[in-house]
Amino acid sequence: DQQVKQNSPSLSVQEGRISILNCDYTNSMFDYFLWYKKYPAEGPTFLISISSIKDKNEDGRFTVFLNKSAKHLSLHIVPSQPGDSAVYFCAANSGYALNFGKGTSLLVTP
Amino acid sequence: DVKVTQSSRYLVKRTGEKVFLECVQDMDHENMFWYRQDPGLGLRLIYFSYDVKMKEKGDIPEGYSVSREKKERFSLILESASTNQTSMYLCASSPQGASTEAFFGQGTRLTVV
Repeated sequence: DQQVKQNSPSLSVQEGRISILNCDYTNSMFDYFLWYKKYPAEGPTFLISISSIKDKNEDGRFTVFLNKSAKHLSLHIVPSQPGDSAVYFCAANSGYALNFGKGTSLLVTP
Repeated sequence: DVKVTQSSRYLVKRTGEKVFLECVQDMDHENMFWYRQDPGLGLRLIYFSYDVKMKEKGDIPEGYSVSREKKERFSLILESASTNQTSMYLCASSPQGASTEAFFGQGTRLTVV
């Protein structure tokens, strides 16, 4: 059973607006969460992470929010740029391996 | 710059062939992983290793085996390739510890015909 869920397969946003990608998890033992970005025919690249002791982490245009009680995290990209168009994967570290969601395909239109 | 290198970007193999996918990392990481990515299914863990000669099954190990004889190298073996193993295979490595990121290779697109 999937422990990390991304329920939106795709998202389309206009350039300059905010992109919000969501992720839910079921295992309360997860204590470190990550977002990866993936372009076609390339490996995923690390974007941003957050520890369960925090509720927010910011890096430039990217901010990750964690709501532990709801077992929910979100990635905010503002302002969105066409180069942000990619598949975004949410992941949770179980101690040895990363558990990934199915991904959300983001399209940023000019 | 950190590097995870997979031996091939694209491979085409015949059903029943034995297939080796090689991965090398230069970061002296303890952990190494093999995932496959399929449309609509995300990244699924096949096997991982947290030390030389150690291996652990992931979520979908059936039809695969692995080998880790040296710390920097982790091989994925398809004992008898089948068409349902056509996929993008991704190798990753990470240092020990739960609060760490994994670094991925560029991926191998395997087609089994």
